[in-house]
Amino acid sequence: GQSLEQPSEVTAVEGAIVQINCTYQTSGFYGLSWYQQHDGGAPTFLSYNGLDGLEETGRFSSFLSRSDSYGYLLLQELQMKDSASYFCAVNTNAGKSTFGDGTTLTVKP
Amino acid sequence: DTAVSQTPKYLVTQMGNDKSIKCEQNLGHDTMYWYKQDSKKFLKIMFSYNNKELIINETVPNRFSPKSPDKAHLNLHINSLELGDSAVYFCASSQETSGLEQYFGPGTRLTVT
Repeated sequence: GQSLEQPSEVTAVEGAIVQINCTYQTSGFYGLSWYQQHDGGAPTFLSYNGLDGLEETGRFSSFLSRSDSYGYLLLQELQMKDSASYFCAVNTNAGKSTFGDGTTLTVKP
Repeated sequence: DTAVSQTPKYLVTQMGNDKSIKCEQNLGHDTMYWYKQDSKKFLKIMFSYNNKELIINETVPNRFSPKSPDKAHLNLHINSLELGDSAVYFCASSQETSGLEQYFGPGTRLTVT
């Protein structure tokens, strides 16, 4: 089966940089994706990594190390609106997506 | 212009009833999914379909039956509803079966009393 670990909560201040880590165990690994979900809302896609390295999308970047079964989401220049839950999801080549339990990010002024 | 839409947004019903949730995507994607998110916000895949064919059925009770009349629609029918079925159900779609980039509908909050 698949399993993922990510911190349950992270707190940071506006303007800071925060990193949310995700470690995973799976067979047939295809890629790691990241989603943001505000309270009462739907998950929205942020980024994915299929290959090792860093993917940058504006203030958000995602990193993957396949050999370490590890990835992270980096959020820069934090804003209050970034307060949300962040999920990593591992995707297999059989088409299955397993989501982590989510990290609640609180951005303080 | 809504990419992935679901109806209804809220559903309150009694135990033992049968209900359906509809999902449509206008993104031209080939793969569609149903997820269940419980009160602790754990998001679990239930089913995925690629071009109307079931590819993932994740140990979901057979009271849950998905139906895909075409690749733009994936409906979820639930028989004999139980209290534990109360959750938010999300439909999603992606261009490829890999599911690396999924787009979610707004969710259907199901409450079973």
